[in-house]
Amino acid sequence: ENVLTQSPATLSLSPGERATLSCRASQSVSSSLAWYQQKPGQTPRLLIYDASSRATGIPARFSGSGSGTDFTLTISSLEPEDFAVYYCHQRGNWPLTFGGGTKVEI
Amino acid sequence: EVLLVESGGGLVKPGGSLRLSCAASGFSFSSYSMYWFRQAPGKGLEWVSSTDSSSTYIYYADSVKGRFTISRDNAKNSLYLQMNSLRADDTALYYCARAPPSKFSDYWGQGILVTVSS
Repeated sequence: ENVLTQSPATLSLSPGERATLSCRASQSVSSSLAWYQQKPGQTPRLLIYDASSRATGIPARFSGSGSGTDFTLTISSLEPEDFAVYYCHQRGNWPLTFGGGTKVEI
Repeated sequence: EVLLVESGGGLVKPGGSLRLSCAASGFSFSSYSMYWFRQAPGKGLEWVSSTDSSSTYIYYADSVKGRFTISRDNAKNSLYLQMNSLRADDTALYYCARAPPSKFSDYWGQGILVTVSS
């Protein structure tokens, strides 16, 4: 199983600051990695797919980078609505797996 | 508007069975792969099972293999998950989701709660 390790577990920042979230895979997934945002009581929302492509309707302040085993989600300037849990997810190998999540809090 | 609506959840005793359904609308259901994911209370996301558009390629997480069966009815725009031999650690919010072929899931339903407890 391809284990995805996200760091940090919690990121404490203020609105306007830059957020950098990391996801490391135990095996290469090439660019088959996505990032999802989940707010309390809500459904996961696709932000980034194929490591660096923004999903439909996602603001430009969200960007993804990386390939192989190391990936980064960057939020250039945090808005109040960005405080949530972020999960990375790979579909490069079966079984599909998710990281444990990074909580971005104020 | 894309809509995915899960139903069939509830409280069941260990060893029992449930059948989840997911009604899809607002898109060409027969063109999409479909997935079941779950999230235990206060925990992260877990992939459960997936099927391609024609049910040719079906996959299961090891944790549910042999106990759960995914199926779909393209004529009814519906996805199903038959869950047998349920255990306490199957307790979770179950989501259905769609994905374009070989792509990531872009729409998820609101989820349905399954609680396994005596």
